[in-house]
Amino acid sequence: DARVTQTPRHKVTEMGQEVTMRCQPILGHNTVFWYRQTMMQGLELLAYFRNRAPLDDSGMPKDRFSAEMPDATLATLKIQPSEPRDSAVYFCASGLVRADTQYFGPGTRLTVL
Amino acid sequence: AQSVSQHNHHVILSEAASLELGCNYSYGGTVNLFWYVQYPGQHLQLLLKYFSGDPLVKGIKGFEAEFIKSKFSFNLRKPSVQWSDTAEYFCAVNARTGTYKYIFGTGTRLKVLA
Repeated sequence: DARVTQTPRHKVTEMGQEVTMRCQPILGHNTVFWYRQTMMQGLELLAYFRNRAPLDDSGMPKDRFSAEMPDATLATLKIQPSEPRDSAVYFCASGLVRADTQYFGPGTRLTVL
Repeated sequence: AQSVSQHNHHVILSEAASLELGCNYSYGGTVNLFWYVQYPGQHLQLLLKYFSGDPLVKGIKGFEAEFIKSKFSFNLRKPSVQWSDTAEYFCAVNARTGTYKYIFGTGTRLKVLA
């Protein structure tokens, strides 16, 4: 049963620290999405990749967030420096191009103190 | 710009009641439509999807949705809800051309009372 995996599942850090979240998409999937979920804003798309190339990162605060896919099996989302308002659950999802279903990972719950 | 509207933010029902959650989208081209469910503390899972063909789509756990193109709607229904249906439900759309970017609605929190 193929699944998207995310690490860490929980992260507590102090303001100003760097945070790196990792995602392993389902093998063979060529699109990867990063979402942020908060009570106030709901589910927000931060960035997405197709065949490892970034297609859209307009939802991401550029000054502190960065997303990369160093290879087909790993996607990373970094926040530097982190701020309390970044506290949220960050979901990664993967899928196949041409509008297939998105498969979500379990999420990383980030708390910035 | 593409958008998805879910008008019901919170819904409370008793077990065995019928459910209908509204979803309207705004996009001029051909779209694919999805409903995802997020149970408390869990990640989003696909409930059902519509790509083409019969506009009445059946999904898991007794859910169904009807695509009405003229109304730009894709409402989710279930004839008799159960306590275990308590969750948040998200409607999503993506275009069949271009970058295939997904747009999610803001979600509807459903609480089913036992």
